[in-house]
Amino acid sequence: EAEVAQSPRYKITEKSQAVAFWCDPISGHATLYWYRQILGQGPELLVQFQDESVVDDSQLPKDRFSAERLKGVDSTLKIQPAELGDSAMYLCASSPRIRDRGQGGYTFGSGTRLTVV
Amino acid sequence: DAKTTQPTSMDCAEGRAANLPCNHSTISGNEYVYWYRQIHSQGPQYIIHGLKNNETNEMASLIITEDRKSSTLILPHATLRDTAVYYCIVRFTYNFNKFYFGSGTKLNVKP
Repeated sequence: EAEVAQSPRYKITEKSQAVAFWCDPISGHATLYWYRQILGQGPELLVQFQDESVVDDSQLPKDRFSAERLKGVDSTLKIQPAELGDSAMYLCASSPRIRDRGQGGYTFGSGTRLTVV
Repeated sequence: DAKTTQPTSMDCAEGRAANLPCNHSTISGNEYVYWYRQIHSQGPQYIIHGLKNNETNEMASLIITEDRKSSTLILPHATLRDTAVYYCIVRFTYNFNKFYFGSGTKLNVKP
């Protein structure tokens, strides 16, 4: 079964440092999402890509967070500088192009657990 | 997207059916009901979705009331591996496919 790959699985960083997460979606999936999940809460959408274009980054803290998907395949989410409150699970998900997806859900990766100290 | 209300937690005995309720009283006619679950330290996993009719797959059954204001996810024979947080989400089909998660229901399956 195809999977969404994320790395690293765990990351510990000091506050004020830069940190980056990588996501490789399921092959052929045009839409890619980054979510943040604080312990005890549901996932919160940060940014959505359709191919290489951002279609929604309204919840992305743009002063410190950035996301890119240069070739419309894999994606990187960066935080600079990291703050203590950024400690969370960062999840990536992908889905087929909207017109092709039918009504199905989308597939999540296993996430990157970030701890800022 | 319509807001959903779920109990914070539920217990279920292993081998028994687990019935997880969800209220979505403000759902509109073209919004689907989706269920995901999240096992500890993993990403959410798609379970099932429906619009009006009841649905069944290899994982679960989804029962939607006739007025569509509530639904129930049924795991027919719960196992310890079904212990997870279950999210009920309603989503407008063409809203760029976005899912907004609430806090979900923590299902504890006990031996």
